[in-house]
Amino acid sequence: EDKVVQSPLSLVVHEGDTVTLNCSYEVTNFRSLLWYKQEKKAPTFLFMLTSSGIEKKSGRLSSILDKKELFSILNITATQTGDSAIYLCASANTGNQFYFGTGTSLTVIP
Amino acid sequence: DAGITQSPRHKVTETGTPVTLRCHQTENHRYMYWYRQDPGHGLRLIHYSYGVKDTDKGEVSDGYSVSRSKTEDFLLTLESATSSQTSVYFCAIRGTGSPLEQYFGPGTRLTVT
Repeated sequence: EDKVVQSPLSLVVHEGDTVTLNCSYEVTNFRSLLWYKQEKKAPTFLFMLTSSGIEKKSGRLSSILDKKELFSILNITATQTGDSAIYLCASANTGNQFYFGTGTSLTVIP
Repeated sequence: DAGITQSPRHKVTETGTPVTLRCHQTENHRYMYWYRQDPGHGLRLIHYSYGVKDTDKGEVSDGYSVSRSKTEDFLLTLESATSSQTSVYFCAIRGTGSPLEQYFGPGTRLTVT
């Protein structure tokens, strides 16, 4: 059964801290790994990774994919209150289906 | 926004009644998806479409049907709504080429009493 597992389920940090969110996947015919941010509305796209070892960066956010060990991490440095959200990890297969994890709820305290 | 709208945005209905949710896109994308989001379960795929009249089931398709008669519209129907179908429903679109990521509509909050 295809599945995506995220950890931790929730996280509370102070502004300025660095956080690491984890995502492991077991997906047949893997194509890509995606990260989304959800703030009380629809998920918004952050990153897509298709090749192992490639690090994607966007400001304070970065992500790495390890296709051998079947996991990805999302790093957020110098966290801000605006980073408070649920972060979703998803894996896409070659059949164009997407499998989502249950998400990590991040709360950043001022 | 990726040109996706959903209607209605909120709906309360009674058990046993049929309900249809609509997803409309203006991007002419081939792939469209319906998900439900529930606490502790994340986003789960209900049905998806890879073209007009071409649809397939997702992991939680029981009790739901879909139709796509035009590229821009993807309808989700609950034949006889049950309380277990109370959820937030998201539509998503994806193109055929690169990029491969999905873009989501604003969601519909459905309550079945």
